[in-house]
Amino acid sequence: GDSVTQMEGPVTLSEEAFLTINCTYTATGYPSLFWYVQYPGEGLQLLLKATKADDKGSNKGFEATYRKETTSFHLEKGSVQVSDSAVYFCALKAGGAQKLVFGQGTRLTINP
Amino acid sequence: DTEVTQTPKHLVMGMTNKKSLKCEQHMGHRAMYWYKQKAKKPPELMFVYSYEKLSINESVPSRFSPECPNSSLLNLHLHALQPEDSALYLCASSHPRASNQETQYFGPGTRLLVL
Repeated sequence: GDSVTQMEGPVTLSEEAFLTINCTYTATGYPSLFWYVQYPGEGLQLLLKATKADDKGSNKGFEATYRKETTSFHLEKGSVQVSDSAVYFCALKAGGAQKLVFGQGTRLTINP
Repeated sequence: DTEVTQTPKHLVMGMTNKKSLKCEQHMGHRAMYWYKQKAKKPPELMFVYSYEKLSINESVPSRFSPECPNSSLLNLHLHALQPEDSALYLCASSHPRASNQETQYFGPGTRLLVL
């Protein structure tokens, strides 16, 4: 079945550091890929998405590129801020399916 | 506007109580979802409504009863819950599109504690 694997956390960085959170997937066909962010005590917010190979999603300084050859959708940000501290979920949605398949989540803490 | 609202924000209930969670969206979305999220875990799908009809029930116990009165509203009726049902309950909605274009937008959740 479809699955998403994220790098295990927690990840702790200093402010202004470069961030990469790895995400790889297994799916049949051509899924859409998503990154959601969950701030403490809140629901999930869509951070970015990509719907086909080589698409780059971007938002709030975060970027991720849909790489079909490596089945990956790694999240990157050039300079993180304390306010980026949250849990990040990678997810996929297979074509025709109504279900989102989530990775386990990566907890990110940014220290000033 | 991509807002999904949920009420109440917090709920404490005993095992013999009956309560309801409410979700609302005004984005014209025709698919609505209930998820359950335990601490430090990803959300788990419970139910999906598509065009006001139940399309997916992920083998959820009958003490959870969903209802979709119209295209903007989704309820989750709770009865005789167990302490292990304590969790964050998230609602989401999406506009059904062809293929894989559909994006789910989540509400802030209801944090439920069952005593």
